[in-house]
Amino acid sequence: EAQVTQNPRYLITVTGKKLTVTCSQNMNHEYMSWYRQDPGLGLRQIYYSMNVEVTDKGDVPEGYKVSRKEKRNFPLILESPSPNQTSLYFCASQEGGGPGPTRRAYEQYFGPGTRLTVT
Amino acid sequence: AQSVAQPEDQVNVAEGNPLTVKCTYSVSGNPYLFWYVQYPNRGLQFLLKYITGDNLVKGSYGFEAEFNKSQTSFHLKKPSALVSDSALYFCAVRDTSNSGYSTLTFGKGTMLLVSP
Repeated sequence: EAQVTQNPRYLITVTGKKLTVTCSQNMNHEYMSWYRQDPGLGLRQIYYSMNVEVTDKGDVPEGYKVSRKEKRNFPLILESPSPNQTSLYFCASQEGGGPGPTRRAYEQYFGPGTRLTVT
Repeated sequence: AQSVAQPEDQVNVAEGNPLTVKCTYSVSGNPYLFWYVQYPNRGLQFLLKYITGDNLVKGSYGFEAEFNKSQTSFHLKKPSALVSDSALYFCAVRDTSNSGYSTLTFGKGTMLLVSP
């Protein structure tokens, strides 16, 4: 089954304790992205990757890191989490990572979400 | 900069009645438009998209959307609502005007509540 998986699904942690949220896709998609969802703000992009070893900042990258060492995995790293990073996080993947109108036409596939609480 | 507006935080409709969830957009060039649905405790699921061609686009679960370039709108519609359609709906847009990477920008979401 084609899917995007995230782990953990739920996480409660304390300020300053480094954490990693994993994301994996089995569709051989070039493009992957991380979003956070907050009430009244919709989804905002944190980081994206157009291919292995190619990552770039989205709209709200502060306090986050990512890496793309393999095509299927795109972990989100919070080096020193703070309470304002309490949110619902979604990983997504998409066929076709590069620029150009054809690649922009593809839809994204989302993981089930990770609810993070930082106290 | 591109943007999406979903003017209604919540839409209430009775089962069996038609429903409309509104979306307007702003881009520099031509848009690629998408609708996604989020059921409780689930990720977003793709419903339909407009890329080019016929302004009326049909998607999953009986949903359709009409692209109106003059009004810069892409409203989501369904002729007869089901209680199971109750969910959070997101409109999203991508700009096609430049040659580089174009991010997918989401609206804030509209909660659809269908009453029995």
